[in-house]
Amino acid sequence: DAKTTQPNSMESNEEEPVHLPCNHSTISGTDYIHWYRQLPSQGPEYVIHGLTSNVNNRMASLAIAEDRKSSTLILHRATLRDAAVYYCILRDMKTSYDKVIFGPGTSLSVIP
Amino acid sequence: SAVISQKPSRDICQRGTSLTIQCQVDSQVTMMFWYRQQPGQSLTLIATANQGSEATYESGFVIDKFPISRPNLTFSTLTVSNMSPEDSSIYLCSVQDPTGGRGGETQYFGPGTRLLVL
Repeated sequence: DAKTTQPNSMESNEEEPVHLPCNHSTISGTDYIHWYRQLPSQGPEYVIHGLTSNVNNRMASLAIAEDRKSSTLILHRATLRDAAVYYCILRDMKTSYDKVIFGPGTSLSVIP
Repeated sequence: SAVISQKPSRDICQRGTSLTIQCQVDSQVTMMFWYRQQPGQSLTLIATANQGSEATYESGFVIDKFPISRPNLTFSTLTVSNMSPEDSSIYLCSVQDPTGGRGGETQYFGPGTRLLVL
């Protein structure tokens, strides 16, 4: 299975943009890139996903490198509520109901 | 989307006893997943539960220790058997929404069951 690599932790100032990187150098052509986050004392929640093109939704933006070997989750304006662990995960479109395997993720701290 | 509830939300148990955790989903789903999250760690997949068949366990997890039931398309239970302090963790139930297409499925998680074994 293709794996992802993320920094263990990052800090951001409140109301500033945050760029959370993810490396996936062994990604296959059929792997979607998903991002989840886990707020303190809660289960993980879906943030965004994409295949090749950059994606935007109300929570964040996903920028995918042209060679797809890396991606960046962008929080345009960090708030204290964005303090969480962010997980970058690959999902293979060849397999329905593929199990989701979590790496250690990036722990994001937001400084007031 | 899917709304998932778990019972109990937390429990304190004595070693050697067993605890059954319930997971209820507000819609019918084909597959349900059980995860464990040890203190300060990421999530580890325990098993995948398909309705009407035996659960599929990940490496390091066995049916005798973590028996799973899946009686219908909206409900599942995970039992943590013969507990020891090392079983103290958060146990989470999860389902997938297939409407995103293959590879694009969104995963939904319950709030978790916080277990402390003394």
